[in-house]
Amino acid sequence: EAGVTQFPSHSVIEKGQTVTLRCDPISGHDNLYWYRRVMGKEIKFLLHFVKESKQDESGMPNNRFLAERTGGTYSTLKVQPAELEDSGVYFCASSQARHGELFFGEGSRLTVL
Amino acid sequence: GENVEQHPSTLSVQEGDSAVIKCTYSDSASNYFPWYKQELGKRPQLIIDIRSNVGEKKDQRIAVTLNKTAKHFSLHITETQPEDSAVYFCAAIGGPGGGADGLTFGKGTHLIIQP
Repeated sequence: EAGVTQFPSHSVIEKGQTVTLRCDPISGHDNLYWYRRVMGKEIKFLLHFVKESKQDESGMPNNRFLAERTGGTYSTLKVQPAELEDSGVYFCASSQARHGELFFGEGSRLTVL
Repeated sequence: GENVEQHPSTLSVQEGDSAVIKCTYSDSASNYFPWYKQELGKRPQLIIDIRSNVGEKKDQRIAVTLNKTAKHFSLHITETQPEDSAVYFCAAIGGPGGGADGLTFGKGTHLIIQP
């Protein structure tokens, strides 16, 4: 069975540009989460989808970040316009139950120059 | 909201010795405490978890203890091996209505196993 996949694995963009990250969760997992790890610090929660609905987006830094999960399958996270402080590794994770085991993707490393 | 503190940030032990990583949490409503291991360049993977109705859980060389009164939990690795070298993250999450839906992670512990 395929795990959580993320694309791209690494993206280098200039400040002010737009980047869209994609996550394909494990098939059948209704819960999808986005997390971010900045500069070796803790992994921080961004938001949580249950199917196509946003359950909690309290961790989203600001309105430059937009996440979608149309159809309840894959999800995208768009950063527009990107700022230097957005650099980090963006992890997607999925689970069957809200408090069940989280399966992480390998992350998308974003570098904003 | 929840706040998780993790210590130490780096831990170096001799192969075969034990390693202990400690975490504290702030939200007394938190009821699920997983530990994730992230090897260099790879994804974080769950290695063990514990729920608030249990004080200790063991899986081969790995054990986790939870003290709800003191609001701290610890990861114990015995007979450490080179493949245990990685960054370990503790995390906590509350019950329904208990803050953010996502896990609150500690800052991670870089465990180094010296041959």
